[in-house]
Amino acid sequence: DIVMTQTPLSSPVTPGQPASISCRSSQSLVQTDGNTYLSWLQQRPGQPPRLLIYKISNRFSGVPDRFSGSGAGTDFTLKISRVEAEDVGVYYCVQTTHFPWTFGQGTKVEIK
Amino acid sequence: EVQLMESGGGLVQPGGSLRLSCAASGFTFGSYWMHWVRQAPGKGLVWVSHINNDGSGTTYADSVKGRFTISRDNAENTLYLQMSSLRNDDTAMYYCVRDNYGVHHWGQGTLVTVSS
Repeated sequence: DIVMTQTPLSSPVTPGQPASISCRSSQSLVQTDGNTYLSWLQQRPGQPPRLLIYKISNRFSGVPDRFSGSGAGTDFTLKISRVEAEDVGVYYCVQTTHFPWTFGQGTKVEIK
Repeated sequence: EVQLMESGGGLVQPGGSLRLSCAASGFTFGSYWMHWVRQAPGKGLVWVSHINNDGSGTTYADSVKGRFTISRDNAENTLYLQMSSLRNDDTAMYYCVRDNYGVHHWGQGTLVTVSS
């Protein structure tokens, strides 16, 4: 199975400041169709996961543009340009290129 | 609007069985692959199983293979997860997920607690 490694596991951030989360996969996530199925999920306290970013850098419908994704191959990054109070929660990267789907450990974003 | 509504969770004794359902609406259910993902209390997300759009293909995590069975009824727009020989470590919130080439929609989840 592909191992997804996220860093950091915890990120205290001052409101208005940026935050960045890294995700590294143990193998390339490029599919035979040429796409890279790497997504980012947000899970607010007590809520189900919600899709933020799909295929590395595409924002899902309704996601604020302060969220952005980048990367290629095995190294990916989620950036929040200016953290707001509503961004508190746990963020997961997930690869859906290969079965089984595998998730990063999660990064807890909290307000300082 | 895509909606996924899980049900069927509850308290069950070790060795027992439970069937989860996921009622889908707002889209053509039979056109999409579907998945179950679970999350133990305070833990991360773990993929459990998948089924292709017509039900002819399924895969399972090693931890549930031989104990869980995924199925679907496209006429009723419903996804199922039949769980048997349940163990304490199956305790989790179970989410159904619609997958469309990397674009996922998640349900609200249903909680399964395995305990004597």
